[in-house]
Amino acid sequence: GESVGLHLPTLSVQEGDNSIINCAYSNSASDYFIWYKQESGKGPQFIIDIRSNMDKRQGQRVTVLLNKTVKHLSLQIAATQPGDSAVYFCAELSQGAQKLVFGQGTRLTINP
Amino acid sequence: SQTIHQWPATLVQPVGSPLSLECTVEGTSNPNLYWYRQAAGRGLQLLFYSVGIGQISSEVPQNLSASRPQDRQFILSSKKLLLSDSGFYLCAWRRSGTGLYEQYFGPGTRLTVT
Repeated sequence: GESVGLHLPTLSVQEGDNSIINCAYSNSASDYFIWYKQESGKGPQFIIDIRSNMDKRQGQRVTVLLNKTVKHLSLQIAATQPGDSAVYFCAELSQGAQKLVFGQGTRLTINP
Repeated sequence: SQTIHQWPATLVQPVGSPLSLECTVEGTSNPNLYWYRQAAGRGLQLLFYSVGIGQISSEVPQNLSASRPQDRQFILSSKKLLLSDSGFYLCAWRRSGTGLYEQYFGPGTRLTVT
């Protein structure tokens, strides 16, 4: 659910390692999920999405996993690069709804 | 292709002054439009959304208002700014209709109220 007032949790990884960013969602009726990447001073950019009839979807260097049983979503980034440094947001939508519900966000920092 | 514009990119306004932020979308028709605010180091707060001209839904009570005078234009306004209105304002659009859920964000406006 929305946590707009909280400070962002952070994740630090070594360059070249894989990153896993987690997100818990609250609405069991949500059937569409999306990950966004937001670089400093810019608007969020779409990374990857997944519908509730899937449990895994792969993109270029990214994989989203969906576990509906425990209402958990994760974003895996393979071979993390300096350009992956950003804040990552998950969002959920239930069928028929007009608005996405954004998660808290996670700040990913890359150590050289 | 579709593009979304916001202006101004940055704005510094004194407390009590009015506000008008504009968002326009090109390359699509009848989009859903959204205004978000983001405080520094925080998440996204949905302020308003619109599914059509003149149709505005407000998500949080505040001294801001939104209007949609044209299909692809969304305006965020205030008559008197408060210090707490400072933040990064993001406009987003989404294709209307079912099965199309991805929102596309604009570059944002950074507002500082002094």
